[in-house]
Amino acid sequence: DAGVTQSPTHLIKTRGQQVTLRCSPKSGHDTVSWYQQALGQGPQFIFQYYEEEERQRGNFPDRFSGHQYPNYSSELNVNALLLGDSALYLCASSLGQGLRNTEAFFGQGTRLTVV
Amino acid sequence: GDSVTQMEGPVTLSEEAFLTINCTYTATGYPSLFWYVQYPGEGLQLLLKATKADDKGSNKGFEATYRKETTSFHLEKGSVQVSDSAVYFCALSLGTALIFGKGTTLSVSS
Repeated sequence: DAGVTQSPTHLIKTRGQQVTLRCSPKSGHDTVSWYQQALGQGPQFIFQYYEEEERQRGNFPDRFSGHQYPNYSSELNVNALLLGDSALYLCASSLGQGLRNTEAFFGQGTRLTVV
Repeated sequence: GDSVTQMEGPVTLSEEAFLTINCTYTATGYPSLFWYVQYPGEGLQLLLKATKADDKGSNKGFEATYRKETTSFHLEKGSVQVSDSAVYFCALSLGTALIFGKGTTLSVSS
């Protein structure tokens, strides 16, 4: 079992550009959530996808958008990049949306640097 | 709003010392509580969880008890090892999203 895989592991972008990050969930999982982890901080919830729809969203602007494909893989898109978007972006997958009776598995993350 | 507060780090201990990392929460409902660990260069791993008051989560010698009266979920281990060096995050969930604390860095020396 490969677990949650994210790509790329690192990338550098220029302010104003757009970026797409990718996530393949753990085998058998149908729900994908995205988190932003700034340096020295805890992860912050961006949004969650289930059945190819955004189900819940954290306090992030519309520049952050996503998609989930029929095979449950997911993308995070960020438009008009700002320096403050530099962070580790984590993908988490789970079976079902609720976390009371299931576990979220995290990928190793994509380190985004905006210059 | 809902939030988690955990003790500032870094925490530096000698091998076999006793560990406590304090965590308190504020929540509008009845959350599930979690401790996650992040080893250098790796993603977050669930260490333990508790879903209702007075539940004790335990794993790999770590323990934490869900205390509703003090809104706390302190992490403890009786004897730490060098391999326990990592960043520890306390988190809560009221449904689908995890709300994390800022993390506490633990460094254990031999």
